[in-house]
Amino acid sequence: SQELEQSPQSLIVQEGKNLTINCTSSKTLYGLYWYKQKYGEGLIFLMMLQKGGEEKSHEKITAKLDEKKQQSSLHITASQPSHAGIYLCGADPTNAGGTSYGKLTFGQGTILTVHP
Amino acid sequence: EAQVTQNPRYLITVTGKKLTVTCSQNMNHEYMSWYRQDPGLGLRQIYYSMNVEVTDKGDVPEGYKVSRKEKRNFPLILESPSPNQTSLYFCASSFQGAVNEQFFGPGTRLTVL
Repeated sequence: SQELEQSPQSLIVQEGKNLTINCTSSKTLYGLYWYKQKYGEGLIFLMMLQKGGEEKSHEKITAKLDEKKQQSSLHITASQPSHAGIYLCGADPTNAGGTSYGKLTFGQGTILTVHP
Repeated sequence: EAQVTQNPRYLITVTGKKLTVTCSQNMNHEYMSWYRQDPGLGLRQIYYSMNVEVTDKGDVPEGYKVSRKEKRNFPLILESPSPNQTSLYFCASSFQGAVNEQFFGPGTRLTVL
């Protein structure tokens, strides 16, 4: 089965600093999803990456899928306290280049703390 | 307001006492799913449903049942809860064409004594 490994497991940064979170898959990814969770709350969808080399940005958050489609990075520029939370990457382990049918596996998450 | 609602939000129960956690969405989504979140184990999918009367197992279905008799509701049933089912549970929904862009409910914190 597909496993997603996230690193680091936790991250503490000073406000204004840049940071990167990585998500590595044991298999080729045909759809990689980034979610954010505030502690104890539901997840919020951030963005989806499908093609090798694809890069997407939303406000100060940029995510990229590498050419081999086995690793994704999430980069936050000039972090703010509002960026604090748990970031999770997810993928459908049954998607072999076709349609996803909703089976979703997540990485263990990266806990981000931003100090003012 | 578009949302996924779960009830109850908090529940303390005892081993073996059947319980149901309800999930409802008002966005006319075809796809719905249940997850549990545990420290050190992350977020794991229990069951999912692509549409009415269509359900399938996720990674950790043992000890759980679901039903999808109507589009908006997807209840999670624990017939005989055990302490290892103590967890934070999330329901989520999405359009069928974008099943991995899911809207999550606020969570249900379940404790089984």
